[in-house]
Amino acid sequence: QVQLVESGGGVVQPGGSLRLSCAGSGFTFSTYGMHWVRQAPGKGLEWVAFINYDGTKKYHADSVKGRFTISRDNSKNTLYLQMNSLRTEDAAVYFCAKDWWRGLDYWGQGTLVTVSS
Amino acid sequence: SYVLTQTPSVSVAPGQTATITCGGKNIETKSVHWYQQKPGQAPVLVVYDDSARPSGIPERFSGSNSGNTATLTIRRVEAGDEADYYCQVRDSTNDHYVFGAGTKVTVL
Repeated sequence: QVQLVESGGGVVQPGGSLRLSCAGSGFTFSTYGMHWVRQAPGKGLEWVAFINYDGTKKYHADSVKGRFTISRDNSKNTLYLQMNSLRTEDAAVYFCAKDWWRGLDYWGQGTLVTVSS
Repeated sequence: SYVLTQTPSVSVAPGQTATITCGGKNIETKSVHWYQQKPGQAPVLVVYDDSARPSGIPERFSGSNSGNTATLTIRRVEAGDEADYYCQVRDSTNDHYVFGAGTKVTVL
């Protein structure tokens, strides 16, 4: 069965950096695009970034452009999100999700990022 | 950038029908996907491409898309349907993905 497991969340000071990982299994990771989606406490879903199956196309939300970078290593079946210059408003649960060309069909359970001094 | 507008909350009695709307400019030209999210859980895709259901999603869930409004309909509502529901589209002008703000469905 498809599994997506995020890791790398934690507490970081404003201006700091963090790298999130998402390990995929149960499907051919290298043939699917992947997303990061976040959810601030008590708030709705916010799309963060997308990467296509081979990493040649990357798109980032305006709110994170220039600070966050999505990437993947298909040899390790792993998706990444490098987050730099973190702000208090970046605090959220970060989900990775598999793209199905018809929506996001599988989601991980999320990893919590807290930005606080 | 493309904006999706959802009613913040809907209340419905068990056995009745819940209607959740998602407004967007000419949304009928886009494929709309719907997600259910229960507290403390990851979202689940319940309708894709306006009206199709993934495997395992009950037939009680259906969708439509016309004009400037997409709709998710939940028939014969059950207590277990209480959740937040989000619509989502892809904005082809910039290859960004957009979620609505979500609708909280409360089962009375």
